[in-house]
Amino acid sequence: QVQLVQSGAEVKKPGASVKVSCKASGYTFTAYAVHWVRQAPGQRLEWMGWIQGDTGKTKYSQKFQGRVTVTRHTSARTVYMQLSSLRSEDTAVYYCAREGSGQHPVPYYMDVWGEGTTVTVSS
Amino acid sequence: QSVLTQPPSVSAAPGQKVTISCSGSSSNIGKNFVSWYQQLPGTAPKLLIYDNDQRPSGIPDRFSASSSGTSATLGITGLQTGDEADYYCATWDSSLSIEVFGGGTKLTVL
Repeated sequence: QVQLVQSGAEVKKPGASVKVSCKASGYTFTAYAVHWVRQAPGQRLEWMGWIQGDTGKTKYSQKFQGRVTVTRHTSARTVYMQLSSLRSEDTAVYYCAREGSGQHPVPYYMDVWGEGTTVTVSS
Repeated sequence: QSVLTQPPSVSAAPGQKVTISCSGSSSNIGKNFVSWYQQLPGTAPKLLIYDNDQRPSGIPDRFSASSSGTSATLGITGLQTGDEADYYCATWDSSLSIEVFGGGTKLTVL
């Protein structure tokens, strides 16, 4: 079945970077884009950006521009999200999610989600 | 403040019907498809509705949705205690060039 499996919880100090992985299975990896969405404690979902499955082209929310980098390793069927210059406000659960429509210039919907990775930023 | 506005909470008795509204603007709901997600406590979101009114396979027809103008609505009939969750609407905002989510609505089945 289609599945996204994320890496484990992380604890980081302010100013550090974190890299979260998302391993895909059960579908043609290059046929679908993958999103990154985060959710701070008690807060709404927040879109961070996405990566196209075929070209590797990325688009980021301006809020995270310059701090977030999404990459992919096609042979490993894995997408990575790196967030740098961490601050306490970055404490959140980070989700990867598959773009259900495949690949379009803009997102349509997210049909499969990873289980989430908790990132805690604390001194 | 969210670009998409949802009521913070709704409630109804088991077996009843509830609707959840999602209000946006001409640059988001007025121009792009809306999707809805259910998030049970402590779990990842789950796709309920895509392309305004389409249900993925496995989603019961108790869940329905519509979109008109700059607003969208999710309806749930035959409420069950297992429906207690947070519900989020989402769409692309063509002006901001980001996917935007509503603030979420907590459904309580009394």
